[in-house]
Amino acid sequence: RKEVEQDPGPFNVPEGATVAFNCTYSNSASQSFFWYRQDCRKEPKLLMSVYSSGNEDGRFTAQLNRASQYISLLIRDSKLSDSATYLCVVTHNTNAGKSTFGDGTTLTVKP
Amino acid sequence: GAGVSQSPSNKVTEKGKDVELRCDPISGHTALYWYRQSLGQGLEFLIYFQGNSAPDKSGLPSDRFSAERTGGSVSTLTIQRTQQEDSAVYLCASSSRAWDYGYTFGSGTRLTVV
Repeated sequence: RKEVEQDPGPFNVPEGATVAFNCTYSNSASQSFFWYRQDCRKEPKLLMSVYSSGNEDGRFTAQLNRASQYISLLIRDSKLSDSATYLCVVTHNTNAGKSTFGDGTTLTVKP
Repeated sequence: GAGVSQSPSNKVTEKGKDVELRCDPISGHTALYWYRQSLGQGLEFLIYFQGNSAPDKSGLPSDRFSAERTGGSVSTLTIQRTQQEDSAVYLCASSSRAWDYGYTFGSGTRLTVV
């Protein structure tokens, strides 16, 4: 079983749709959580950190459920420019510094 | 510099040759990471440097791979006797703290072994 698991998709949604991705992690000692975005043939870029209280950045909302060991990302009012692969990332302080990346969920937003 | 700089951006090499990949992290970032990504695959951890501590080399796939970080700044990843399965994009990232901030990635070095 992978340490961080994501549904690879692809998710194909129309513009304006709301879409949600989940990610599960296996190490209960995990400390920090992030979502990254990776465009085709580009490097990953930090989208947002994920906090226990949940956090929102414009159309993007991230949630963390420590009890069930999953993280979610909700995108509202999808734009064409949201088309990308979304990577779930987990860091635990027993391996301080080394983050584990999920394989990503691919989103395509269509006109 | 303003971002993480990697060079070269592309490298084509013959099987069996050695290659060196360079990473210049964001100034002041104490943590530096190397990952690689094969086509259509996820990121694979290679090695992690944090300040003056011994590096975490647990992800290096074989003894043909080595990395160093000089003066707590620039890092070089060396692959000896390259094999075709080494073909991938090698990504370097840096972070201002060990684990509770996200990473900033460089644009990567695309290595092709022919």
